[in-house]
Amino acid sequence: DSGVTQTPKHLITATGQRVTLRCSPRSGDLSVYWYQQSLDQGLQFLIQYYNGEERAKGNILERFSAQQFPDLHSELNLSSLELGDSALYFCASSVTDNQPQHFGDGTRLSIL
Amino acid sequence: QKEVEQDPGPLSVPEGAIVSLNCTYSNSAFQYFMWYRQYSRKGPELLMYTYSSGNKEDGRFTAQVDKSSKYISLFIRDSQPSDSATYLCAMTRTSYDKVIFGPGTSLSVIP
Repeated sequence: DSGVTQTPKHLITATGQRVTLRCSPRSGDLSVYWYQQSLDQGLQFLIQYYNGEERAKGNILERFSAQQFPDLHSELNLSSLELGDSALYFCASSVTDNQPQHFGDGTRLSIL
Repeated sequence: QKEVEQDPGPLSVPEGAIVSLNCTYSNSAFQYFMWYRQYSRKGPELLMYTYSSGNKEDGRFTAQVDKSSKYISLFIRDSQPSDSATYLCAMTRTSYDKVIFGPGTSLSVIP
């Protein structure tokens, strides 16, 4: 058990909808990272937050947004969902904004 | 050309074999190198974390980095069926930079 908790484990929704994925980092970790994993793209970095502030952005679509709250949990919001957004979404955390990162078990998002 | 490349496998070996997993990369600025293991329906689990060139050993696992050749390896000795998983290499320029992951190599260890 990595100590990173992600909810929900599975999410099934339709195109055009909006969903929120939640992540609780390991106790004491200040940095949270979000990744998307699909069969054809592998593990892709989306965005990083450190102690409530956005630290780095990767290949995150404009339809996606994230935030980190004062209690350090983070949420990833995905809107106007498309079939291609079906993937595994992972959250990772680290003590500060340096490596290494510890991953949760992901949220599997299926768009019908 | 992708920044980090791995043979996707699948790689199938008998129990007890020595396994060699490899990654090549194109960006000579990478200095921090990691290996993650990912079981089906689970998140990646950090196995090894190394800086710059050289070897690092942890139990049955040895990580090697050859920066001159832009090549990293993970060796697994006395492989076990429980080692069956996908192995992802990852690297970054600095400890504060975003991590680039390889596509992963699928390993099966046959009893």
